[in-house]
Amino acid sequence: LAKTTQPISMDSYEGQEVNITCSHNNIATNDYITWYQQFPSQGPRFIIQGYKTKVTNEVASLFIPADRKSSTLSLPRVSLSDTAVYYCHPRDDKIIFGKGTRLHILP
Amino acid sequence: DAGITQSPRHKVTETGTPVTLRCHQTENHRYMYWYRQDPGHGLRLIHYSYGVKDTDKGEVSDGYSVSRSKTEDFLLTLESATSSQTSVYFCAISEPGEDTEAFFGQGTRLTVV
Repeated sequence: LAKTTQPISMDSYEGQEVNITCSHNNIATNDYITWYQQFPSQGPRFIIQGYKTKVTNEVASLFIPADRKSSTLSLPRVSLSDTAVYYCHPRDDKIIFGKGTRLHILP
Repeated sequence: DAGITQSPRHKVTETGTPVTLRCHQTENHRYMYWYRQDPGHGLRLIHYSYGVKDTDKGEVSDGYSVSRSKTEDFLLTLESATSSQTSVYFCAISEPGEDTEAFFGQGTRLTVV
């Protein structure tokens, strides 16, 4: 099982771009990298997923270097509503999460 | 939203009593999971199921048992609840595969007094 390492917390201001990096040195060859967002008192929800290079959707971008030992979630122009905990997860059957990154957006 | 229902949503129970939490899905997903979430610990996997009657332990399985007698239901049982099991419990479902996402329920807040 790949262990993940993320910053425990980050602060940013509204309108800025936020990048959260996750390291997963032991990722398996077939594992996709998945990111989830969790608001207080709610279950996590899927944000984005990728295997290599760059993936973009309406919410975020995900950058994955060639060695796939890390990934970076990019949130463009954050707002107060982006305050949440963000988890990265190399996709496997057990879906074991790390402690996530607590992102706090300031006005 | 994916069809996942956790019941009860809130429960207060006494130390030493058995407690069963239920997760019900309407998506026919093969995999189901139980997590607990405590301040400072993030989400920790308790047990998961990869099919009817097929279950496996997660990171923090001691003191918990599970059962899955049909696709749509996954039960988590605390045989004899302890105060250390006071937590928020989340259920999740997914299909197998390296590129599939998991869907989470709204959580059950359990307090053991």
